[in-house]
Amino acid sequence: AQSVTQLDSHVSVSEGTPVLLRCNYSSSYSPSLFWYVQHPNKGLQLLLKYTSAATLVKGINGFEAEFKKSETSFHLTKPSAHMSDAAEYFCVVRGFGGYNKLIFGAGTRLAVHP
Amino acid sequence: EAQVTQNPRYLITVTGKKLTVTCSQNMNHEYMSWYRQDPGLGLRQIYYSMNVEVTDKGDVPEGYKVSRKEKRNFPLILESPSPNQTSLYFCASSSPTRDSVYEQYFGPGTRLTVT
Repeated sequence: AQSVTQLDSHVSVSEGTPVLLRCNYSSSYSPSLFWYVQHPNKGLQLLLKYTSAATLVKGINGFEAEFKKSETSFHLTKPSAHMSDAAEYFCVVRGFGGYNKLIFGAGTRLAVHP
Repeated sequence: EAQVTQNPRYLITVTGKKLTVTCSQNMNHEYMSWYRQDPGLGLRQIYYSMNVEVTDKGDVPEGYKVSRKEKRNFPLILESPSPNQTSLYFCASSSPTRDSVYEQYFGPGTRLTVT
């Protein structure tokens, strides 16, 4: 069965410093992986997706993620945090048995301090 | 503007009083889903639909019903709500993209409280 584990429930960084949000996945076949962001009182927005093409994926707002099969990881990074990056981030794997099915991690809440 | 809309955005109700949360998308997507979001659990799929009149259970379908009579609409029905259905609900829609990955578009959410 597919699953994702977000290793940190909360991450706090200073503005201008790098962001690292960690995600490990479990999948019995080549996965499709996503990162979504949820700003307070908003819906979810797709940041980026991995679909077995390039292992380094660039998304919106300067975020990127690297697919590492040997480590079963898909960590999200950004070189320099901005105050507007404060939000909850979800690592997601597409489930088997229903192409419409997404399996979400528990989420990582990112706080950005001035 | 391409979007998924949900109504109502906020709802407080009492145990046992039937309610419907509506969901509509204007992107002509075939696939639609309902999720609930609970702290520490991420989002879990309740039901999904692959097209008109085609629906199936997700991971947490108990206590919910859905229907898909029109392509654009996918209402979520709680026949007899209970306090454990207090949650934040999201509707999503999707259609195949060029690389065959079904990117989902989410509505703004409906916060439901059942007392």
